[in-house]
Amino acid sequence: GAVVSQHPSRVICKSGTSVKIECRSLDFQATTMFWYRQFPKQSLMLMATSNEGSKATYEQGVEKDKFLINHASLTLSTLTVTSAHPEDSSFYICSAVKGLNTEAFFGQGTRLTVV
Amino acid sequence: AQSVTQLDSQVPVFEEAPVELRCNYSSSVSVYLFWYVQYPNQGLQLLLKYLSGSTLVKGINGFEAEFNKSQTSFHLRKPSVHISDTAEYFCAVSPWGDQGGKLIFGQGTELSVKP
Repeated sequence: GAVVSQHPSRVICKSGTSVKIECRSLDFQATTMFWYRQFPKQSLMLMATSNEGSKATYEQGVEKDKFLINHASLTLSTLTVTSAHPEDSSFYICSAVKGLNTEAFFGQGTRLTVV
Repeated sequence: AQSVTQLDSQVPVFEEAPVELRCNYSSSVSVYLFWYVQYPNQGLQLLLKYLSGSTLVKGINGFEAEFNKSQTSFHLRKPSVHISDTAEYFCAVSPWGDQGGKLIFGQGTELSVKP
């Protein structure tokens, strides 16, 4: 199977600090990774599309300076929430694909709580 | 623009009873359709997908869904549910001919199976 792992699964940080979330494809090379955000009892909203070696493409309304995405290798993408505030508290989920028009595999998600 | 509507936010059902989770979509182009399941604090797992061909799609855990193009629906069904089916279910579409790419999700349906 194809496994995508996120780390950490839970994180609590203080307001004003930055936190990094990792998304790794453990047994395949991911040409593209996606980052979603899920508010409580709501659906997943796509934040950005990340391609290895190039700048991420952000969806409308997502602050690229606040949510920094780096896709340094074919197995790792990171999402850094900079200067976090309580309203950034959410469940963040990544997905990865092996290639164009192939199934997406999701990580287990990261619950971020900003206090 | 594309959108997905899950008509029921919560569906309570008794164990061994049949269940249908409804999903309607709106799109001016052909789409791929998906159902995902999410257990508490976990990522998404693909239940089934419709890309082309037979409109009745069978997935994992005994679930199936039927694509109805005229009604733009993709309802999920299971003839007999188990306690372990209690989870959040998301319907999603991909309107760009890429099954792994950017997904547009519905609001989710919380299935609660009672003994």
